[in-house]
Amino acid sequence: SQQGEEDPQALSIQEGENATMNCSYKTSINNLQWYRQNSGRGLVHLILIRSNEREKHSGRLRVTLDTSKKSSSLLITASRAADTASYFCATGEMNRDDKIIFGKGTRLHILP
Amino acid sequence: NAGVTQTPKFRVLKTGQSMTLLCAQDMNHEYMYWYRQDPGMGLRLIHYSVGEGTTAKGEVPDGYNVSRLKKQNFLLGLESAAPSQTSVYFCASSGFNEQFFGPGTRLTVL
Repeated sequence: SQQGEEDPQALSIQEGENATMNCSYKTSINNLQWYRQNSGRGLVHLILIRSNEREKHSGRLRVTLDTSKKSSSLLITASRAADTASYFCATGEMNRDDKIIFGKGTRLHILP
Repeated sequence: NAGVTQTPKFRVLKTGQSMTLLCAQDMNHEYMYWYRQDPGMGLRLIHYSVGEGTTAKGEVPDGYNVSRLKKQNFLLGLESAAPSQTSVYFCASSGFNEQFFGPGTRLTVL
């Protein structure tokens, strides 16, 4: 089954800096989503980008999608301590909107 | 709205015991999912449902059964628990694309 692979596995940055996480996948997709998981909690949906979109913004989040390279990136600008969490990309298969496949995640730690 | 709720939050079982995890959603979503999350493995789909009365296998279905008798509920059963089923279990629901997650159930099988 296809699966997103996040890179890096872990990232530590200073508060106020920008954080960039990448996701690569294997086969054609209908959409790609990013989720956040705070320690010990369930996942929370952040943003969805469709296969015909190249860039999307939501507040301090910027997501790009390059279907030719089968990759996506999540940029968090002006990071805050509250952004400390794990971030997962999830891919929806073409013509299969009923389920998505999650990657293993990037652990982001914002240093004060 | 409570969103997605899971019962219980924690459980310890002995090998061979059985149990049922309950997931409930109040958003009238058609799709519901059960995942397990293990360290370094991300989330893996166990079973899912695309509507009341339907179920389908996910990536790691062995050792689990599910039922969706009512649209708002999705039950995950372990008939004979094994230590390999020690994990955190998450339920999710969706209307279309975006999934809403419950808080998780931490299960330990001794």
